[in-house]
Amino acid sequence: DVKVTQSSRYLVKRTGEKVFLECVQDMDHENMFWYRQDPGLGLRLIYFSYDVKMKEKGDIPEGYSVSREKKERFSLILESASTNQTSMYLCASRGFMNTEAFFGQGTRLTVV
Amino acid sequence: GNSVTQMEGPVTLSEEAFLTINCTYTATGYPSLFWYVQYPGEGLQLLLKATKADDKGSNKGFEATYRKETTSFHLEKGSVQVSDSAVYFCALSPNSNSGYALNFGKGTSLLVTP
Repeated sequence: DVKVTQSSRYLVKRTGEKVFLECVQDMDHENMFWYRQDPGLGLRLIYFSYDVKMKEKGDIPEGYSVSREKKERFSLILESASTNQTSMYLCASRGFMNTEAFFGQGTRLTVV
Repeated sequence: GNSVTQMEGPVTLSEEAFLTINCTYTATGYPSLFWYVQYPGEGLQLLLKATKADDKGSNKGFEATYRKETTSFHLEKGSVQVSDSAVYFCALSPNSNSGYALNFGKGTSLLVTP
């Protein structure tokens, strides 16, 4: 069974903390993505990576950074967490253009 | 740019009713189109896809046809079940070299009652 695994299902952090969300895929996919999901707004792309050490900004990159040191792992970093970053975060990976994206189970982050 | 517009929910249906969730898109060229489903507390999983005009994707009784002339990819099911209650997302992937991120609609929540 192919898998995208996110390190935490639920996370509670304090304002100003540095937060790491980890994602690992076992499909040898080149492309990996971080989305956030909010009610009424759907999924919005934060960052994506098409190769090791390569990254591109998505639609809402402000307040976030990413790291991809190994092909299977893509990390999302909140440099200084704020309450407006409380959300569901979804990681996905994908092979070539016409193929589907596979999603992790999501991390529900609450910043207090 | 690329975008997807879905009908807004929530949609509430009785078991065995017919389901249609409308989806239209804006994109250059010939994107691939997808429907994803998200059950409560879970991530998204692929329901069906179509990669070229007039293709019909189907899975678990759901169907959608890629209509280039109307830029649409409406999701249909002839007889819904309580277990189909979920949020449904329409998505597109541009067939270009500008990255392989999917663009998603805002999602349509479906509740099926017994």
